[in-house]
Amino acid sequence: NAGVTQTPKFQVLKTGQSMTLQCAQDMNHEYMSWYRQDPGMGLRLIHYSVGAGITDQGEVPNGYNVSRSTTEDFPLRLLSAAPSQTSVYFCASSYPGEGGYNSPLHFGNGTRLTVT
Amino acid sequence: RKEVEQDPGPFNVPEGATVAFNCTYSNSASQSFFWYRQDCRKEPKLLMSVYSSGNEDGRFTAQLNRASQYISLLIRDSKLSDSATYLCVVCMDSNYQLIWGAGTKLIIKP
Repeated sequence: NAGVTQTPKFQVLKTGQSMTLQCAQDMNHEYMSWYRQDPGMGLRLIHYSVGAGITDQGEVPNGYNVSRSTTEDFPLRLLSAAPSQTSVYFCASSYPGEGGYNSPLHFGNGTRLTVT
Repeated sequence: RKEVEQDPGPFNVPEGATVAFNCTYSNSASQSFFWYRQDCRKEPKLLMSVYSSGNEDGRFTAQLNRASQYISLLIRDSKLSDSATYLCVVCMDSNYQLIWGAGTKLIIKP
């Protein structure tokens, strides 16, 4: 099992550019999510999905889009990058099972994004 | 007030010592609690879930105090490899969202 795979690991964008952060998991997890982590702050949820074809907004969704066409993939799109989106982005997944949707999360390695 | 608060530290602790830190949460309806560990420039990894009765995993003990709305993490016989940031996570069963603390940085010194 590869677990949760995120690409790219590093990215530099200019203001106004768009890009997609990729996330894939091979554990058949129903729940997938995207977080951003900024210094001095807890992880903040951007978007999440509880299954293929189902997505919902988290705490900080503005400026980001997601889709979930398959169980395995959950890409995050930055529509028009802004310096405020400079952050570390983590994709995470879990299998509800008996623990429900609060089951422990498995994280990808993270993407360090800088917007200039 | 933040929903989940942690002392950012850093806690500088000599190797072999016992260290404990708390995490307070504001929503009394919170049902599930976790401690994650995050090494520098790495992703968070689950350390342990926190059960109502408290639980222990080797040198690590987690406890929940619902009356005072905090969870704690105790590390005994600390090792250099315990140096990391410890993240507290709280969630309610009514939704799918987890609330993360900003983390407590622990530095174990030889």
